[in-house]
Amino acid sequence: DTAVSQTPKYLVTQMGNDKSIKCEQNLGHDTMYWYKQDSKKFLKIMFSYNNKELIINETVPNRFSPKSPDKAHLNLHINSLELGDSAVYFCASSQGSGTANYGYTFGSGTRLTVV
Amino acid sequence: AQSVTQPDIHITVSEGASLELRCNYSYGATPYLFWYVQSPGQGLQLLLKYFSGDTLVQGIKGFEAEFKRSQSSFNLRKPSVHWSDAAEYFCAVGPVDSNYQLIWGAGTKLIIKP
Repeated sequence: DTAVSQTPKYLVTQMGNDKSIKCEQNLGHDTMYWYKQDSKKFLKIMFSYNNKELIINETVPNRFSPKSPDKAHLNLHINSLELGDSAVYFCASSQGSGTANYGYTFGSGTRLTVV
Repeated sequence: AQSVTQPDIHITVSEGASLELRCNYSYGATPYLFWYVQSPGQGLQLLLKYFSGDTLVQGIKGFEAEFKRSQSSFNLRKPSVHWSDAAEYFCAVGPVDSNYQLIWGAGTKLIIKP
């Protein structure tokens, strides 16, 4: 199936740990994103990555770092996890020129719980 | 400042009844407007979008939305809801920069009564 897939679906970890979330898309899209959805369902862009150009939301702590080994993958690494990092993290991708880039395809999310 | 407001946190409708979800935006130019749906445990799926032209846009799953510039609104409608429509609905507006980013509303949870 063509899709954006994320692993793991659930992640429970202790404060201070380092963890990674993986994302892969087989849609041939050029741009990938990481979003954070907090407990109030508010969606916030964290990163976008296009042709090796990384756009960082300046409000994202530098404990969060995206890593893209190739165009089809954009992993999210988080250092020194804090309680406030608990959220659902969505990977997404888009393709095309101009307005077609707004047709995001989202993964099903990773629910991160920091205890 | 650019913003998107979805005034209703929850809406409950009976199965078969009509639905309207509200979305208001603040934007300095003609916006691009979107509705996404998030089913429980799933990622977001694009329902419909408006870029220009006809202000009434049709989407998937029988949804439509109307852009009203004078009211800065882009309300989502469906004439008859089904139990499978129970989900969270997000309105979004863009572009906010040259990287195709969107501003997202806080979402409206749709609950369907049998």
